Amino acid sequence: GAVVSQHPSRVICKSGTSVKIECRSLDFQATTMFWYRQFPKQSLMLMATSNEGSKATYEQGVEKDKFLINHASLTLSTLTVTSAHPEDSSFYICSARRGEPYEQYFGPGTRLTVT
Amino acid sequence: GQNIDQPTEMTATEGAIVQINCTYQTSGFNGLFWYQQHAGEAPTFLSYNVLDGLEEKGRFSSFLSRSKGYSYLLLKELQMKDSASYLCAALDSNYQLIWGAGTKLIIKP
Repeated sequence: GAVVSQHPSRVICKSGTSVKIECRSLDFQATTMFWYRQFPKQSLMLMATSNEGSKATYEQGVEKDKFLINHASLTLSTLTVTSAHPEDSSFYICSARRGEPYEQYFGPGTRLTVT
Repeated sequence: GQNIDQPTEMTATEGAIVQINCTYQTSGFNGLFWYQQHAGEAPTFLSYNVLDGLEEKGRFSSFLSRSKGYSYLLLKELQMKDSASYLCAALDSNYQLIWGAGTKLIIKP
């Protein structure tokens, strides 16, 4: 068990458009979901933490108006990159946590390219 | 502040054993995780330690010393597919994962 899906796996969009990425926990209810970003050859960077039904908690330096997170249910969280720019091109990974022992299960990631 | 230290890169030979060390300093501690990440892919869970000692899982073992703020991941009988980055992460008092930068493991034939 503990499978997390992410959709789409790859997306190419034009500068100024918005992109929505979905993260679903398929076989468990996730108390908390996380969104990460990873640039090539760099470590994971936590963007935000979201609990179902409440506002996401963003890490310092992450623009909440640019990266909109919605956690509508215990199995679904979405990240919308608004007015995307080329510098937003990155690998976006979500993870879900269901409780003790608090390990995070990762989705396969979404590679975003903004042209 | 909170900090995780692990080597940036290690090289080992196919069939050999390698130990990847990790030291941590966190506000509170609720366990230590190891994840494997192949290039271009998301991390996958390898192990979790919350008590002192060694946890063995097939070719991989993970060790924790809470008093020393130290953990290691031991990989035996290395295979070429083990070439990946290995991420150490500590769970702090708020149950947030504090991530290390990862150790890139290169396996040579």
